Amino acid sequence: DTGVSQDPRHKITKRGQNVTFRCDPISEHNRLYWYRQTLGQGPEFLTYFQNEAQLEKSRLLSDRFSAERPKGSFSTLEIQRTEQGDSAMYLCASSLAGAGIQYFGAGTRLSVL
Amino acid sequence: GQNIDQPTEMTATEGAIVQINCTYQTSGFNGLFWYQQHAGEAPTFLSYNVLDGLEEKGRFSSFLSRSKGYSYLLLKELQMKDSASYLCAVHRATGGGNKLTFGTGTQLKVEL
Repeated sequence: DTGVSQDPRHKITKRGQNVTFRCDPISEHNRLYWYRQTLGQGPEFLTYFQNEAQLEKSRLLSDRFSAERPKGSFSTLEIQRTEQGDSAMYLCASSLAGAGIQYFGAGTRLSVL
Repeated sequence: GQNIDQPTEMTATEGAIVQINCTYQTSGFNGLFWYQQHAGEAPTFLSYNVLDGLEEKGRFSSFLSRSKGYSYLLLKELQMKDSASYLCAVHRATGGGNKLTFGTGTQLKVEL
């Protein structure tokens, strides 16, 4: 296993379009996290899963955002009706349950025109 | 709420030692992480402190004082490749699992 992988690495879209990102965690990790990072800032927590259950969502996650992890393995993050303010790097991380170290993927950079 | 403060930028010389400080105010503290992030790349785990004291790992060391809400990352024998952003992140032991709350990062520039 080569770590957390995210696809695509870059996405350019027009305002109002829907986009979907995928994250494949490290295979034995049961926790999966989504973060958003803008230039010059640290990552901000969006949501996390333990296995297939979504256990917490940040207030940053408006109703245009939805995340799934249907079989407890890979996860998708969908943004509907994108806005220019959604432009950011979307990072995925995974860990073992408990105070496990979170390992990050390289992220998907979203640009909304 | 939570407050995590770290300097925005630091500059140091190749071969030298640099200390990056992080102060935090939070409830339910359950540990502090340091990550390194090169531009356009994923944050990479460096260290984790949950108890007071110093954790050493090669050229990198991290210190924690829970009573003071203070941590630092110490980088020795600086190399040019150490130029990166260093992120301090707090782990809270609340109903929120083990999500991390990050500072804004310290951009370190290593010069010749």
